Amino acid sequence: GQQLNQSPQSMFIQEGEDVSMNCTSSSIFNTWLWYKQDPGEGPVLLIALYKAGELTSNGRLTAQFGITRKDSFLNISASIPSDVGIYFCAGQLITGTASKLTFGTGTRLQVTL
Amino acid sequence: DTEVTQTPKHLVMGMTNKKSLKCEQHMGHRAMYWYKQKAKKPPELMFVYSYEKLSINESVPSRFSPECPNSSLLNLHLHALQPEDSALYLCASSRRERMRETQYFGPGTRLLVL
Repeated sequence: GQQLNQSPQSMFIQEGEDVSMNCTSSSIFNTWLWYKQDPGEGPVLLIALYKAGELTSNGRLTAQFGITRKDSFLNISASIPSDVGIYFCAGQLITGTASKLTFGTGTRLQVTL
Repeated sequence: DTEVTQTPKHLVMGMTNKKSLKCEQHMGHRAMYWYKQKAKKPPELMFVYSYEKLSINESVPSRFSPECPNSSLLNLHLHALQPEDSALYLCASSRRERMRETQYFGPGTRLLVL
C-alpha cells in the first residue's frame, strides 16, 4: 500500500540534543498522528493534530500539521535514553464510519549518553 | 483509559493448524482494526470493523478470517497460514468525536508460522 515519505530514516544522537523528523505526502489528510514503537510492542500515540497549521506540544515533544495538509513534523527537545525507538507519522482520512491511516516509513532514533 | 488488549502475546503454529487472535477494548470505541506488521516496516491495514460490521477488507487472503462478536471484541481466525505470514499482528480501535478520530493500538501478537 501507499506509504508516506518520512525522514530521516535513522538518527544517532547524543543525550540532550534536539531531534527533528518530518513526513510529506502527495495527498491531503484530515489528521496527522505521531506514534512511537518499541521493539515487539504496539505503536503508542504521542501527538494528534486535527487542523492545518496546528502546533501541539506534549512534554518535550512538539508537532505541527502543515498548512498544505500534506506534511507534518515532530520535534523532540533535550533527548533522553528512553526516547530510543521507531517513530511513525500517519496521515488519516476519515471515510464513512471508520478512518484509514497511511503510515510513514519510520524514523529509528538511537541515543547515546 | 486508552487500553487495547491482545492475546496471546506470542503464537507459534504449523501450516495446518487453526488458531485465533483476540482483541478487546472497553473504551466504547465503535471502530476496530487489524494490522499486520513485518520487521522494520510500518503497520499495514488488513480489516476495519465499524459498528460490528466489516467495512474495509484490504484484499486479505481468505486464510485470515475476521470476526467481531460484539462492540468490545475483535477476533482474527487463522487457518492454513504460510511462513511468510509470520509477523506482528496489531489491533487498534477508535472513536469519532466531532470529526476528530484517533486510533489506539494494542501491544500486538507475535506470530510465527512454521
